[in-house]
Amino acid sequence: NAGVTQTPKFQVLKTGQSMTLQCAQDMNHEYMSWYRQDPGMGLRLIHYSVGAGITDQGEVPNGYNVSRSTTEDFPLRLLSAAPSQTSVYFCASRPHREGSKNIQYFGAGTRLSVL
Amino acid sequence: DAKTTQPPSMDCAEGRAANLPCNHSTISGNEYVYWYRQIHSQGPQYIIHGLKNNETNEMASLIITEDRKSSTLILPHATLRDTAVYYCIVRVQGGSEKLVFGKGTKLTVNP
Repeated sequence: NAGVTQTPKFQVLKTGQSMTLQCAQDMNHEYMSWYRQDPGMGLRLIHYSVGAGITDQGEVPNGYNVSRSTTEDFPLRLLSAAPSQTSVYFCASRPHREGSKNIQYFGAGTRLSVL
Repeated sequence: DAKTTQPPSMDCAEGRAANLPCNHSTISGNEYVYWYRQIHSQGPQYIIHGLKNNETNEMASLIITEDRKSSTLILPHATLRDTAVYYCIVRVQGGSEKLVFGKGTKLTVNP
């Protein structure tokens, strides 16, 4: 199993450009999440999904859109990039089955710079 | 989810045990203690979790006090590759999706 795969690993955008950060998992996990990590700030939840067709906002959702059309994929869209969105983005997934340990599995991250 | 308190940094000699403390004095009866770590520039990695009994796996041991207000993560024989930020997280199992990582403890293993 590949686990949680994020693409691209690095990206540089100009202010106002749009892009999609891709996240895919092959563990059949129901829950998927997006976090951003800034220096000295820890990880902050952007959006999450409890299953295909269901998404909800985290603590810092502004400027980001998500959708969950399949169990495997959970893309994060930046509609109009701003320098404040320069960060490292992590995607995570976990199972939601009775008896599961509620363990989150994280991708390797996407490092985004907005100039 | 209950808040946790961890020292900002610790040092450990290679080959020695690393003992990382965590205070969670407001923990509820149905909340578990989870430990994750983040090696530089990588995604966080699950280490271990427990409710009230001590736990051990291939990576570490978790000691939870009887009143559950604090816990200690033990890496029995620390290596240079264990240098990372260690996060103690308290949450209910199957609870809300948000993981509150806080700032964690930066463990530096020295040769």
